Order: sequence, then C-alpha cells, then structure tokens
Amino acid sequence: DTGVSQNPRHKITKRGQNVTFRCDPISEHNRLYWYRQTLGQGPEFLTYFQNEAQLEKSRLLSDRFSAERPKGSFSTLEIQRTEQGDSAMYLCASSPFGVHKNYGYTFGSGTRLTVV
Amino acid sequence: TQLLEQSPQFLSIQEGENLTVYCNSSSVFSSLQWYRQEPGEGPVLLVTVVTGGEVKKLKRLTFQFGDARKDSSLHITAAQPGDTGLYLCAGAIGTGNQFYFGTGTSLTVIP
Repeated sequence: DTGVSQNPRHKITKRGQNVTFRCDPISEHNRLYWYRQTLGQGPEFLTYFQNEAQLEKSRLLSDRFSAERPKGSFSTLEIQRTEQGDSAMYLCASSPFGVHKNYGYTFGSGTRLTVV
Repeated sequence: TQLLEQSPQFLSIQEGENLTVYCNSSSVFSSLQWYRQEPGEGPVLLVTVVTGGEVKKLKRLTFQFGDARKDSSLHITAAQPGDTGLYLCAGAIGTGNQFYFGTGTSLTVIP
C-alpha cells in the first residue's frame, strides 16, 4: 500500500469557481477524515466517514462544502463558489478504528488550494 | 478558541542543544498524540500516549503525558537539523471520533 493519496497537490482557482479534491485512503482503513490547515495553524476538523456514512460534520463546513465517500473507498471534497477565505491546505487522513487509543491518523500530503 | 495550546510557537536553536515543547489544555484527553509536519506535507505520527504520567521515548525524543491527562511535553536531546519541522499535539476527548490539534510549534535547528 502506498499510503493516503490526495489529488491534486495544488489547485489555483478564481473566486466563485467550484473545485473538487480527491482522497484515496489506505485500503483497509474504514475511517476517513478531512481537515483544513491554514498557514501557521494546526489542522481543523471538517468531517469524517465510517465506510460510506458521513457521521460528523464541523460547523466550519458551510453549505458550500460537500463531501462524499460513495463506496466506502475514495472520498471527494467539493467547494462551491470558492472564496478567498477558503485558501488553505486540505488534508485527508485515514485510520483503521477511528479514534482508538493506540491508533493515530495516516495523513496524505494534502491539497493546497489558492483562491485568487 | 483553540482546545490545545502549544508553546513556544517558534523555536530556533543550534544543533546539539536540547529543547522542550509544551502542549496544554483545560480539557482531559483519553489519548494524546504528537505529529511532525514538514512544509508541503501532511503530519506524520510520532507517538501516542494514553495513561496519565506515561513517558515514551523514541530515540532522542521523550514524550510525557501529564498525570491529569490535560497536558503533554516533548523533549528533544541533542537536536539535529533533521528535527526541523512543525510539531503538533493532538488529543481525543472521551470516546469522541476526532482528534483536536494544537496550534503547533515550528522548530528550526541550525547546523
């Protein structure tokens, strides 16, 4: 397994455009998480899936954000009508058992979004 | 408001020096983890601590979980340039399904 894969690595878009990011987790991991990280800050939780079910969403996830994990494998995060404040690194992570005491996240390399 | 506060926010030291990074909260955590993140990459897990007072060592890195499980520290002995990066602590509360990340400590080790 090559770990958690995120595409694209970088995305520059004009304000108002829609963007979609993809995350391929480690195949045997049933939990998948999306985090957002701005420069100089720690990652902030956006949402997580157990298999195909989206079980929790942060208040940070406005109506313009939507995430899916249709077959419990890869996941997509879409941002509609992007705003400059959406510029950030979007990180995907997976884990085998969720927040288990002895298991942490395996993160992807992230997608750096710049809204101009 | 950040659930976990890390200090210092920035640290620049010479190779061979020792350093300690702190992670503090008013909340009790069921487990706490430390990650290191390099520019343009995702965080990489270093260690998980789950028991109050627990100490774990990873080569030159020593991690300690506070007795009350509200704080943690990371001590690096004889720092090397390869230790440069953003150090993040992250805690889980009860049986919650996410980790809350700290504000991060950016470490630069000068050769």
